[in-house]
Amino acid sequence: GAVVSQHPSRVICKSGTSVKIECRSLDFQATTMFWYRQFPKQSLMLMATSNEGSKATYEQGVEKDKFLINHASLTLSTLTVTSAHPEDSSFYICSARITDSAAFFGQGTRLTVV
Amino acid sequence: AQSVTQPDIHITVSEGASLELRCNYSYGATPYLFWYVQSPGQGLQLLLKYFSGDTLVQGIKGFEAEFKRSQSSFNLRKPSVHWSDAAEYFCAATSSGNTPLVFGKGTRLSVIA
Repeated sequence: GAVVSQHPSRVICKSGTSVKIECRSLDFQATTMFWYRQFPKQSLMLMATSNEGSKATYEQGVEKDKFLINHASLTLSTLTVTSAHPEDSSFYICSARITDSAAFFGQGTRLTVV
Repeated sequence: AQSVTQPDIHITVSEGASLELRCNYSYGATPYLFWYVQSPGQGLQLLLKYFSGDTLVQGIKGFEAEFKRSQSSFNLRKPSVHWSDAAEYFCAATSSGNTPLVFGKGTRLSVIA
């Protein structure tokens, strides 16, 4: 299947700093990527839809100024958690879907804000 | 609203026993259906998918799933479970195009000797 690479896999940052997470589709072009957040022992919650060359679409309740998404190319989307706080600690997963086909997921990023 | 329901939060089976994980969906039309598996601290791996055609689909690692329109179900099965199958399993659905997946809450599978 298609490969989606997410980096870093783990990051620890101090409260108030910003963290950038990268999501790359390695062997296909993705005009749309999706960012999910997963709390321990829970399911994946869609945060936003990232569209190449245009603004991201955020789900209700997700702060667009805190979770900045940039989809600058057909193979790269980034999620920046700005002014991170301990409550932002979570597992973040990106996904890219081949149109009319399956979605493929990155390995996830464990963010810990101290 | 579109939704996916996995009624079982946690299932324990003995190694070598058969397995069935339940999934029900609520969508306006027949959605695309998926099963994914997640090991702790990892991303999701696609086990199998159903778009149309044969309602019994085969996946990786010996898994299969059957789409039943009358029951709005897409249950995952495996005839003989291995200890390495212990993980979290997610059923998901979406519509055509490039829409995001809607996930069930997941079922945690434990395998005992």
